[in-house]
Amino acid sequence: QKEVEQNSGPLSVPEGAIASLNCTYSDRVSQSFFWYRQYSGKSPELIMSIYSNGDKEDGRFTAQLNKASQYVSLLIRDSQPSDSATYLCAATGGTYKYIFGTGTRLKVLA
Amino acid sequence: DAGVIQSPRHEVTEMGQEVTLRCKPISGHDYLFWYRQTMMRGLELLIYFNNNVPIDDSGMPEDRFSAKMPNASFSTLKIQPSEPRDSAVYFCASRDSGLGGYTFGSGTRLTVV
Repeated sequence: QKEVEQNSGPLSVPEGAIASLNCTYSDRVSQSFFWYRQYSGKSPELIMSIYSNGDKEDGRFTAQLNKASQYVSLLIRDSQPSDSATYLCAATGGTYKYIFGTGTRLKVLA
Repeated sequence: DAGVIQSPRHEVTEMGQEVTLRCKPISGHDYLFWYRQTMMRGLELLIYFNNNVPIDDSGMPEDRFSAKMPNASFSTLKIQPSEPRDSAVYFCASRDSGLGGYTFGSGTRLTVV
């Protein structure tokens, strides 16, 4: 099993809908979790971090962590075409070394 | 703050040549990371430094790759000799010791022909 797994997509949602992006992880990387957004040809940029079970909201973004089931999700409310990008999930196992998933490509259709 | 600065932005070189990628981390960040990104393998950690000291280089693919951090404001990643399979985007990232994620540089797109 890979340490961090994501569905590569593309995930297509209509403008204004909720986009739900998921990530599962192994026991080796179960401490801290991060969501990054990467536009084509650009570098990843941090959107959210989450460290404990439950939900964390920041504007239109909500990160959800379920340690019992070993998954972390990112919800994007009121999706906009500008949200179209690849979303990378990253996790650490107690060090500063992040392991990244291969990313989910999101397309928001106008 | 100018962010993490990488140079060059693009590098095209011939197989067998030496390639040096450069990175200036954000001032005050004491961790520096080198990643490589390809379509097939995604983002892979090559090496990271803490206070200029290499902590984990287990991701460095071969002896052809080497990285240094002579001071808190500069790091290099060198490939010698380069091969076509080294073609990728190489990212440098930095962070501080507190909570929070990395800040990535804009990357160097390396093409080895």
